[in-house]
Amino acid sequence: EDQVTQSPEALRLQEGESSSLNCSYTVSGLRGLFWYRQDPGKGPEFLFTLYSAGEEKEKERLKATLTKKESFLHITAPKPEDSATYLCAVQAGTGNQFYFGTGTSLTVIP
Amino acid sequence: DAGITQSPRHKVTETGTPVTLRCHQTENHRYMYWYRQDPGHGLRLIHYSYGVKDTDKGEVSDGYSVSRSKTEDFLLTLESATSSQTSVYFCAISTPDRPTQYFGPGTRLTVL
Repeated sequence: EDQVTQSPEALRLQEGESSSLNCSYTVSGLRGLFWYRQDPGKGPEFLFTLYSAGEEKEKERLKATLTKKESFLHITAPKPEDSATYLCAVQAGTGNQFYFGTGTSLTVIP
Repeated sequence: DAGITQSPRHKVTETGTPVTLRCHQTENHRYMYWYRQDPGHGLRLIHYSYGVKDTDKGEVSDGYSVSRSKTEDFLLTLESATSSQTSVYFCAISTPDRPTQYFGPGTRLTVL
């Protein structure tokens, strides 16, 4: 049973072409939603934590938002260096376990 | 960057041999985790530790054991490696007051 679903699986953008990545979740008792960036051959790098619906976080060209059913990672005017796989994870219930999506592979073409 | 190192970074072994992967942290974080990452799957939790000598199973724990004798080190052991355990293994750390997990650089394990 999928608890975290990310879409699209892959996304190709021209440099400067803004877009959004989606993370939908079906867990009860959400305690946090997390976005990570992962470059090839490296470990996930933490980007944002969101705790409640309506919350937004920003960092450079990235903005993460959260509703009761999904989160979006908005990328404004992306650059080639934004190319990476973006992972979403949720923490729910009473344990410390994270449930990860399979990621969105983003390629930004110069 | 979080002070997390993993060793070895790459390993090739044969089916049936024991393998131990090490995660070392310099952050003094209480919680440590082992994940595996495979194509088509998200990161999946193998085992985690919530303190020295305190460990528990994750969703894919079969065939793996862990040990934590001191705060900074968390070992993952494959008692008898199988080809299905070919994967990239990541260690992560967190603290009780903040749920965010910080990841190490990973170990790529190939079981022939």
